[in-house]
Amino acid sequence: TQLLEQSPQFLSIQEGENLTVYCNSSSVFSSLQWYRQEPGEGPVLLVTVVTGGEVKKLKRLTFQFGDARKDSSLHITAAQPGDTGLYLCAAALYSGGGADGLTFGKGTHLIIQP
Amino acid sequence: GAGVSQSPRYKVAKRGQDVALRCDPISGHVSLFWYQQALGQGPEFLTYFQNEAQLDKSGLPSDRFFAERPEGSVSTLKIQRTQQEDSAVYLCASSSSSGQETQYFGPGTRLLVL
Repeated sequence: TQLLEQSPQFLSIQEGENLTVYCNSSSVFSSLQWYRQEPGEGPVLLVTVVTGGEVKKLKRLTFQFGDARKDSSLHITAAQPGDTGLYLCAAALYSGGGADGLTFGKGTHLIIQP
Repeated sequence: GAGVSQSPRYKVAKRGQDVALRCDPISGHVSLFWYQQALGQGPEFLTYFQNEAQLDKSGLPSDRFFAERPEGSVSTLKIQRTQQEDSAVYLCASSSSSGQETQYFGPGTRLLVL
């Protein structure tokens, strides 16, 4: 059973369009992270959201953590070809507060066509 | 400064062979994690070290998988008697402390078992 469900799995849009990808779970998380991974590279952390209802912005990317801390969304405004990549959401396996392995969703494969 | 490095970047093995994958974490990082990423999927947690102590190996898929970090820095993931289902990208990540710090990922080793 996948703890984190991401949708859509694949998305191909034209440059300049807006898009939203989702990360959902039936579990409550103390925090949730979004990563971007390019081919042949490891995931790179974009943001960590901690508080229910929190909104964080990173240039054209807007991240939101659900009020109940079970879900999150990533919205990209005016997408550019450089945004192409695999977007992964992740959460700590346990919530004990110490260092944890992460559980990842399957990811959203995003292609922005020029 | 140098990030997490992994070697080899690519490994082709015949079914039944043993392989050893190396991870050089960021200097001084206390925590080290191994993940397995199948094609088109998100990474899955394998094991976690705090310094030289392996604190969590719950994600190792079978007793053919073995990881060590004898001096608390470099780590090796060993897979014995490789099977085709072991084909995946093996990612290493490190973080600076034993708390919920950002994990920095290496580029991964792509293993293909024929």
